[in-house]
Amino acid sequence: SYVLTQPPSVSVAPGKTARITCGGNNIGSISVHWYQQKPGQAPVLVIYHDSDRPSGIPERFSGSNSGDTATLTISRVEAGDAADYYCQVWDSTSDHYVFGTGTEVTVL
Amino acid sequence: EVQLVESGGGLAQPGRSLRLSCEASGFKFDDYAMHWVRQGPGKGLEWVSGISWNSDRKGYGDSVRGRFTISRDNAKNSLLLQMNSLRGEDTALYFCARSSASTIRGFQSFEYWGQGALVTVSS
Repeated sequence: SYVLTQPPSVSVAPGKTARITCGGNNIGSISVHWYQQKPGQAPVLVIYHDSDRPSGIPERFSGSNSGDTATLTISRVEAGDAADYYCQVWDSTSDHYVFGTGTEVTVL
Repeated sequence: EVQLVESGGGLAQPGRSLRLSCEASGFKFDDYAMHWVRQGPGKGLEWVSGISWNSDRKGYGDSVRGRFTISRDNAKNSLLLQMNSLRGEDTALYFCARSSASTIRGFQSFEYWGQGALVTVSS
């Protein structure tokens, strides 16, 4: 089945930019969604269809997708952005929804 | 406001059954597909099952196919997951999630999530 690979952790200083990658075979040809999950809470959709933001999500969150890598970018990082982030796609071959391995973002 | 509230979790012995429910409110339930996603202790997210708006299509993850059954009651705005032949590896927090679309096939996202129901499988 389709595999999505994320770095286990990313560390970033407040005010800087965090980039979280999601690797998959030709992932640029399919839609990627991103979720933020804080400890003890349910996931929250932060980016859908590669780069669209749901209402209420700050403009600091943006996404891109090309080739074999999709990227979630968090600009001007704040302490409250510390969380686990997951990418997600629908694999048409298996008819399954697939999540990435998850990335823990630490704000220094 | 969209609300999804799961119930029915608990402790079950291996080989036994549990049924999870998800009560939905704040949106037109029969306009959307619904899904179950689980998260094992200290682990990532895993899609479990999904059902289209009118129940004509259902999908299951490989690890639960043949053991779990998803269903919905649009008159009661509820989503169900019947879990049979439970195994230790089914221990997880089970989230109910609303799709961005009415069908379960396609590049849809999980727009809203409940807080989860904890299922523990242990003897």
